[in-house]
Amino acid sequence: DGGITQSPKYLFRKEGQNVTLSCEQNLNHDAMYWYRQDPGQGLRLIYYSQIVNDFQKGDIAEGYSVSREKKESFPLTVTSAQKNPTAFYLCASSILAGSSTDTQYFGPGTRLTVL
Amino acid sequence: GNSVTQMEGPVTLSEEAFLTINCTYTATGYPSLFWYVQYPGEGLQLLLKATKADDKGSNKGFEATYRKETTSFHLEKGSVQVSDSAVYFCALATGTASKLTFGTGTRLQVTL
Repeated sequence: DGGITQSPKYLFRKEGQNVTLSCEQNLNHDAMYWYRQDPGQGLRLIYYSQIVNDFQKGDIAEGYSVSREKKESFPLTVTSAQKNPTAFYLCASSILAGSSTDTQYFGPGTRLTVL
Repeated sequence: GNSVTQMEGPVTLSEEAFLTINCTYTATGYPSLFWYVQYPGEGLQLLLKATKADDKGSNKGFEATYRKETTSFHLEKGSVQVSDSAVYFCALATGTASKLTFGTGTRLQVTL
């Protein structure tokens, strides 16, 4: 089955530690995205990538880093510089990079809790 | 900049009631408009979309019409079911980067 996988579903880390969230897609999509969701709020864009080895900052990139070494993978690292990292993180992908009409497909999300 | 405003929830309805969730937007250019649904503990699923003025998106009994004159994309369903209980997000995309701008979401609770 084609889709987007995120692992793990729940993640706990101590304050001050970096943590990497996994996102893999087998849809052969060009573009991939990371969003953050906080309770009672909409999703906010952290980073996006339209092509391998290239990515751009979204609206709330501070304290996060990404890489896009393979088309199917777009891991997100939450660094110790992120002041409030506890949130639900969602990865998405779309077939066309550069089209506002294209649909983004979402993974199941990772809930990160920093203790 | 782009923004999306949704009616605040929660919206509580009895099964078989009519549903309307209001969504209005502000955007530069000509956006594409989307409704996504999120069930508890899950990611978002596309419910429907419309890419130009007067287009109607529809899926699973839900409908929304792209109204450029009122900058709106209200979600409607004629008869809701308990299984429709979820959070509904209105979103738009413009330009060449296909970045989505989301509303804050509206929680729908349907009771028997």
